[in-house]
Amino acid sequence: HLQLQESGPGLVKPSETLSLTCTVSGDSINSDTYFWGWIRQPPGKGLEWIGVIYYSGSTYYNPSLKSRVTLSVDTSKNHFSLKVLSVTVADTAVYYCARVLRKDSSDLLYYFDHWGQGTLVTVSS
Amino acid sequence: QTVVTQEPSFSVSPGGTVTLTCGLSSGSVSTSNYPSWYQQTPGQSPRTLIYRTNIRSSGVPDRFSGSILGNKAALTITGAQADDESDYYCVLYWGGGLWVFGGGTKLTVL
Repeated sequence: HLQLQESGPGLVKPSETLSLTCTVSGDSINSDTYFWGWIRQPPGKGLEWIGVIYYSGSTYYNPSLKSRVTLSVDTSKNHFSLKVLSVTVADTAVYYCARVLRKDSSDLLYYFDHWGQGTLVTVSS
Repeated sequence: QTVVTQEPSFSVSPGGTVTLTCGLSSGSVSTSNYPSWYQQTPGQSPRTLIYRTNIRSSGVPDRFSGSILGNKAALTITGAQADDESDYYCVLYWGGGLWVFGGGTKLTVL
């Protein structure tokens, strides 16, 4: 049974770095079948794709966030991480990690098939 | 920058049929965008409904269906129920490892 669990500080000061980790249980990150991604949702607003990382470490980012976001993966700990630099109040959101199913045995799929429960990060002094 | 467009809100009567759409500010949605749809109720994580345009995720009732209608992806709910009242998001794969989320549709069942 796959589970994804976000962890990290719930409060970050403006101009500092937001850091979150997503721990995966029930499956291995070390697979070419999946990407591992981050999505966020500001209070009362819609979902925004942040980026994804492949088990090899290849990363793909939302162009609007690319300059401030870094994803990393640690296959030995079966987790992946998000850093957002120089945060402002606009970065206040629920942050979700998710698994992206890239393919099955015959087809490309490219969809978010499992989500974490989400963690609220508030940017405030 | 291309924007994925969804109706901000929609209303349907219990037992009725509603089609939510997912378009592009410039161009057409196709199966090559691997459209997927997600349902989210307040305080919950999104739940996957449809992927690869029209494949229902495990456990999703068959009253939910996906398609391409004209130049948009579409999610149709046939026989809407009260607990279908949720926010619905479409997601498009843009290629090159990039995804774009629509702004979401708030569906009211009344």
